[in-house]
Amino acid sequence: QKEVEQNSGPLSVPEGAIASLNCTYSDRGSQSFFWYRQYSGKSPELIMSIYSNGDKEDGRFTAQLNKASQYVSLLIRDSQPSDSATYLCAVNSGGSNYKLTFGKGTLLTVNP
Amino acid sequence: DTAVSQTPKYLVTQMGNDKSIKCEQNLGHDTMYWYKQDSKKFLKIMFSYNNKELIINETVPNRFSPKSPDKAHLNLHINSLELGDSAVYFCASSYTGDTEAFFGQGTRLTVV
Repeated sequence: QKEVEQNSGPLSVPEGAIASLNCTYSDRGSQSFFWYRQYSGKSPELIMSIYSNGDKEDGRFTAQLNKASQYVSLLIRDSQPSDSATYLCAVNSGGSNYKLTFGKGTLLTVNP
Repeated sequence: DTAVSQTPKYLVTQMGNDKSIKCEQNLGHDTMYWYKQDSKKFLKIMFSYNNKELIINETVPNRFSPKSPDKAHLNLHINSLELGDSAVYFCASSYTGDTEAFFGQGTRLTVV
């Protein structure tokens, strides 16, 4: 069973701080990794994708991938109350291009 | 313009009924998916279609029958609804080989 693990949280940070979200996955053959943000009652929204080891930055968001450790993370700098949401880690697993396996999500709360 | 649209947004029905959810995407994608998100917010794939062909069926009861009349549409028909079918169902789409999936707004199904 290919799995994606995340700390369920909740993770609470003050406004302006760095929020760090972590994810591990079990399938060493996984090739692509994604972070989705889901506000309560809304659909998941893609915010970052990463395919190779290292860091990828987009605005206040940085995704980090370490395939040797089977670990992917998301850093949110200068956290804003509007960043409060559930963050879902997703992994392209099983060697298939047609399936994403999601973690159970981490609930982030940014306090003003 | 809505990229991935589902109808209806809410569906309340009695046990034993048959119901359908419709999904359409205008992104030109050739792969479409159905995901189920349970009360604990865990998002799990049910089906994947590529160019109208069923690619993934994740051990979903055969009361669930997807139908893809063309690449832009993927409908989900559910027979003999059970209480445990209550969940939010998300349609999503992507290009082949690129699992950056974009989600519809979801259909909240409540079986009473």
